Amino acid sequence: GENVGLHLPTLSVQEGDNSIINCAYSNSASDYFIWYKQESGKGPQFIIDIRSNMDKRQGQRVTVLLNKTVKHLSLQIAATQPGDSAVYFCAENNNSTLTFGKGTMLLVSP
Amino acid sequence: SAVISQKPSRDICQRGTSLTIQCQVDSQVTMMFWYRQQPGQSLTLIATANQGSEATYESGFVIDKFPISRPNLTFSTLTVSNMSPEDSSIYLCSVEAPARDRGYEQYFGPGTRLTVT
Repeated sequence: GENVGLHLPTLSVQEGDNSIINCAYSNSASDYFIWYKQESGKGPQFIIDIRSNMDKRQGQRVTVLLNKTVKHLSLQIAATQPGDSAVYFCAENNNSTLTFGKGTMLLVSP
Repeated sequence: SAVISQKPSRDICQRGTSLTIQCQVDSQVTMMFWYRQQPGQSLTLIATANQGSEATYESGFVIDKFPISRPNLTFSTLTVSNMSPEDSSIYLCSVEAPARDRGYEQYFGPGTRLTVT
């Protein structure tokens, strides 16, 4: 499939480790943020979202942290698995218009 | 949720020609969008495809280069006109549809990989 992550920052982890992927956003007025996972040859897929009235939200094995002061988001993946290998993007959602961050490729070795 | 298909999945085209990409969704949706993802980069919104009216283009994208059709609530096309190698990208369709437990969500198609030689 297509390698969408050819020039992206890469995070390499061992299976079972926790992963932390960071993202800076640009619009201080944004109030809704989403993390997407994009596997090779596929479109982005929703992972977790957070609104600006929260600073932390947990899902299944994933946690998103929001720091509005410095316009920073992070995605934490617990017990990372080989199936988590993909490119991860944060996005700001403003009135249904998505502005994507640069993306990080996560490589998980067994 | 929404299931989106795109045709073609990939194509190799000669410069100066045009390619029309189709996007079909399995349910009626109000909002449909077209994105471009250049090699090794993030997604950039090209335009919002409006049913019954002209598409709304983002800064840096124009209708003459990327004409869009939206004849109904389940289908849209994006044409990449007078192609040059710089147009080599993945083009993705997305829709906004109801998502369980969180209102609405944007769903993405698998993308169309375009290579211009």
